[in-house]
Amino acid sequence: AQSVAQPEDQVNVAEGNPLTVKCTYSVSGNPYLFWYVQYPNRGLQFLLKYITGDNLVKGSYGFEAEFNKSQTSFHLKKPSALVSDSALYFCAVRHSSNTGKLIFGQGTTLQVKP
Amino acid sequence: DAGVTQSPTHLIKTRGQQVTLRCSPKSGHDTVSWYQQALGQGPQFIFQYYEEEERQRGNFPDRFSGHQFPNYSSELNVNALLLGDSALYLCASGRGESYEQYFGPGTRLTVT
Repeated sequence: AQSVAQPEDQVNVAEGNPLTVKCTYSVSGNPYLFWYVQYPNRGLQFLLKYITGDNLVKGSYGFEAEFNKSQTSFHLKKPSALVSDSALYFCAVRHSSNTGKLIFGQGTTLQVKP
Repeated sequence: DAGVTQSPTHLIKTRGQQVTLRCSPKSGHDTVSWYQQALGQGPQFIFQYYEEEERQRGNFPDRFSGHQFPNYSSELNVNALLLGDSALYLCASGRGESYEQYFGPGTRLTVT
């Protein structure tokens, strides 16, 4: 069965410091991996995706993520956090042969303090 | 270029009632998926519509049904509402088998 785990309910970081939000996945075959961000009372906004190719993918708002097949991880990173990055972040996986269904993690709240 | 839109924004219903939620996909998109996001949880896949047919379904009972219209817009219907159906219902659209799904702002359903 496909699954996604986000082991941290909350990540706290000071503004200007690097941030990492962790994600591990379980899927047979080739995974398609995604990160979304959700602001209060809003829908999900797409940040970035890994389909194939370079393990380091770059996305919106300065975020990037590193795909590690051996560790089945897809951690979200940003070199310098902003207060405005504070939000709820979701990792999601889709099987390569499955066109519709995204499996989401439980979400990680990122709190960036000035 | 309008993104994914959903209506209504908020809805309050009583147990046992029926509800219909609506979604208009992003311009150029032809696939619509519905997700349920309970408080403090990640979104759960309900089903996906493409070419006016339900293509995939998640682990939701038959009380949850849907429809896609020729203009690609979609409806989610929930019958015999339960308190546990209270959640944010998200619609996502995509283009065929493209990788990205774009989400709407959601409809907050409260069942009392």
